[in-house]
Parts: sequence; C-alpha cells; structure tokens
Amino acid sequence: QKEVEQDPGPLSVPEGAIVSLNCTYSNSAFQYFMWYRQYSRKGPELLMYTYSSGNKEDGRFTAQVDKSSKYISLFIRDSQPSDSATYLCAPKGGYNKLIFGAGTRLAVHP
Amino acid sequence: EAQVTQNPRYLITVTGKKLTVTCSQNMNHEYMSWYRQDPGLGLRQIYYSMNVEVTDKGDVPEGYKVSRKEKRNFPLILESPSPNQTSLYFCASSLGPNTGELFFGEGSRLTVL
Repeated sequence: QKEVEQDPGPLSVPEGAIVSLNCTYSNSAFQYFMWYRQYSRKGPELLMYTYSSGNKEDGRFTAQVDKSSKYISLFIRDSQPSDSATYLCAPKGGYNKLIFGAGTRLAVHP
Repeated sequence: EAQVTQNPRYLITVTGKKLTVTCSQNMNHEYMSWYRQDPGLGLRQIYYSMNVEVTDKGDVPEGYKVSRKEKRNFPLILESPSPNQTSLYFCASSLGPNTGELFFGEGSRLTVL
C-alpha cells in the first residue's frame, strides 16, 4: 500500500464548478499537509498547507484535513480555466520529507 | 528573479554514457533536493542536501550521485544511466530543512535508450 493515495483523474469540470480533490494517507504521525499545483511542463509550486486537523481557506481554495480518517481534501470554488493543472497532495514527515501523491489532473473548461 | 534553474531541460542519451544534470538556485537556500516524477508514482526523492558538503539518500538513490560543493549548486550525476532511469527530474530548494515549502525547477526530461 502506498503511503499516500490520490485519484489520478483526469477530472473535467465546467467553469464555475466546485471541485473536490482528495487524498488518503497511512502514517498517523503526519502533522503538516501540503498541496502543490503543477502546470503542464512546469515544476510544482506550493499552493497552501494545513497543520493537523481542520480547515484553512485562501481565496477560492480550502484545504481540509481529517486526521481521524487520514483524509485530505482540497476544494476549489468558482473554478476557472486557469485552475487547470495537476494537484499534488503531500503530507510532510521530518526535514522537508514530503510524501507526494501521484497527483490529480484537473481540466476546467469554459 | 528568484528561481531554480536546471539544465539540460531535455536529454536523450544511451545506456552507460555518464551524464550530469545541473541545478542552481539564487535564493541562498540551505536545503536542496532531487526528485524524479513517473506516471502513477508521483514525485520520489532521490537525494537531498541540508547544506554545503552535507548530502543524504532519499527514497530512490540507486544509480545516482550528488555533490554540494557550493551553496547554490546541486548537480545530479548518473554514472552509468540505464533505461529505468528514463524519467522527469526536478531539483528543488528550500530556505531551511523543515519549512515544507519547496521551490522547484522546471524539470529535466531524460530518456535513456
């Protein structure tokens, strides 16, 4: 079993839709949960992160962690074509040890 | 402009021909790391470096070497490339060893025939 499981998609939605991206993980010791966004032919970039359980909102993006079920979510409200990218969840172990999911490819069409 | 620069961006080589992928950052970051990205497997860490002259293995170090002689540079060396090293490689840097915020280069796509 992989440490982090993420549905690869692709996920195709119309502009304006609410998008839900999800990961599960197995190591209960993880405390920080990062979301990276990767555009085609580019390197990943940090989108946002949360600490422990709970929600964190940043504009149209909300990250949610449920440590009891080891479930991580990223919600995108009012999705835009510019949100089309691959989204990588990455729980953090020690010393920048990020365990990346395989990524979910999202396409938002006008 | 703050950035991580990798070269070459694309390379096709043959089995056994030594190659080096260079990585340079201009942000004075202490921590640097190499990843490979393969379909369905995500990003896997190859090697990392906490600071100059300090390097350590990641999850998939076999077949790779690194060095950190200067703070800004962290080259990845494939002494004898094999086809299973065909992949997309990313260099990343971070201000410190525990921030979780990695700054990635644009990637180097390597094909070993």
